[in-house]
Amino acid sequence: KQEVTQIPAALSVPEGENLVLNCSFTDSAIYNLQWFRQDPGKGLTSLLLIQSSQREQTSGRLNASLDKSSGRSTLYIAASQPGDSATYLCAVRGVRNTPLVFGKGTRLSVIA
Amino acid sequence: DGGITQSPKYLFRKEGQNVTLSCEQNLNHDAMYWYRQDPGQGLRLIYYSQIVNDFQKGDIAEGYSVSREKKESFPLTVTSAQKNPTAFYLCASSIGGQGAYEQYFGPGTRLTVT
Repeated sequence: KQEVTQIPAALSVPEGENLVLNCSFTDSAIYNLQWFRQDPGKGLTSLLLIQSSQREQTSGRLNASLDKSSGRSTLYIAASQPGDSATYLCAVRGVRNTPLVFGKGTRLSVIA
Repeated sequence: DGGITQSPKYLFRKEGQNVTLSCEQNLNHDAMYWYRQDPGQGLRLIYYSQIVNDFQKGDIAEGYSVSREKKESFPLTVTSAQKNPTAFYLCASSIGGQGAYEQYFGPGTRLTVT
């Protein structure tokens, strides 16, 4: 059964710092990995989707990488801002099952 | 304006009552999903449907029921058999089938049962 782990569970950084969030998964037979952002009491907003054949995707200050063979992904946030404060979740879609399997998330606080 | 709507945003019920959460999408997606989110637990899959008139149990289906009579709608009923129904419920949709594709989420419904 696919398991997704996110480390660290919480992170606090000063404004302007570059940071990396980690995601690991146990079954490398995936179609894609998706990174989401969730603000308190809100739904999930899709940030980036990486297909299994891709190594990275970029959107603005965000860059996500995927190493499928080792079961790892990172989300790099450049020049962090207080508005980046949220919980970031990663999820994978396996070839054996359609629904996404989620990690528990990393709660990010960017301090002004 | 395309998207997923969930209503109501907040729902309060007495213990022992069934309650139905609404989820509607106008994205023309075949697949729809229900997740439950509890503090420190992440998202757990309750039910999903890949096509109209068909649905499958997720990891925590006990005490819940669903229907998929229309492509746009996937209501979730929380029955009195669900031991700990208080949670944040999220509906999602996607194009479905095999392959890589994005999954989109609604704004959620917070259910409180006392």
